Amino acid sequence: RKEVEQDPGPFNVPEGATVAFNCTYSNSASQSFFWYRQDCRKEPKLLMSVYSSGNEDGRFTAQLNRASQYISLLIRDSKLSDSATYLCVVNVEYNFNKFYFGSGTKLNVKP
Amino acid sequence: DADVTQTPRNRITKTGKRIMLECSQTKGHDRMYWYRQDPGLGLRLIYYSFDVKDINKGEISDGYSVSRQAQAKFSLSLESAIPNQTALYFCATRSVHEQFFGPGTRLTVL
Repeated sequence: RKEVEQDPGPFNVPEGATVAFNCTYSNSASQSFFWYRQDCRKEPKLLMSVYSSGNEDGRFTAQLNRASQYISLLIRDSKLSDSATYLCVVNVEYNFNKFYFGSGTKLNVKP
Repeated sequence: DADVTQTPRNRITKTGKRIMLECSQTKGHDRMYWYRQDPGLGLRLIYYSFDVKDINKGEISDGYSVSRQAQAKFSLSLESAIPNQTALYFCATRSVHEQFFGPGTRLTVL
């Protein structure tokens, strides 16, 4: 079983739509959680960390459900520039030794 | 200038050849990583290093070796390349809360 699983998509949405992605993780001892964004043929970049209490950064909201072992990312008022692949990332070892990456969810925002 | 750089950016080679991918960083981070990315599989950890004297295998280290020449440099070698090592390779460094990736090396083994 993969450490981190995501729906690969693609999610095709119109501009202005709200879209949500989920990600599940298998290790209940996972400690830190992140969403990274990856544009086509580019390197991943941190979008936001995910805190137990949930957190928001502009149009982006991340939530963590430890009981069900999933992480979510909500994007409101989608922009064309939001088109990318979103990677769910989980750290399962103390001291941040290793990050486990999901295979990504592809988002296409259309005019 | 980019904080994490990789060379070469693209490489096509033949089965059995020795290949070295190089990574340099100016972020001053002790921790460096090599990943490969394949379609549908996400990023998988090959090797990681906490400092010049500390090298650790990741989940897919077979067929690869690394060298940490200095805090700023971490090289990945394929001693005898095979076609299933065709992939996109990323080097990364790590701060407490974030990983910083290089631009990637696209390697094709024929």
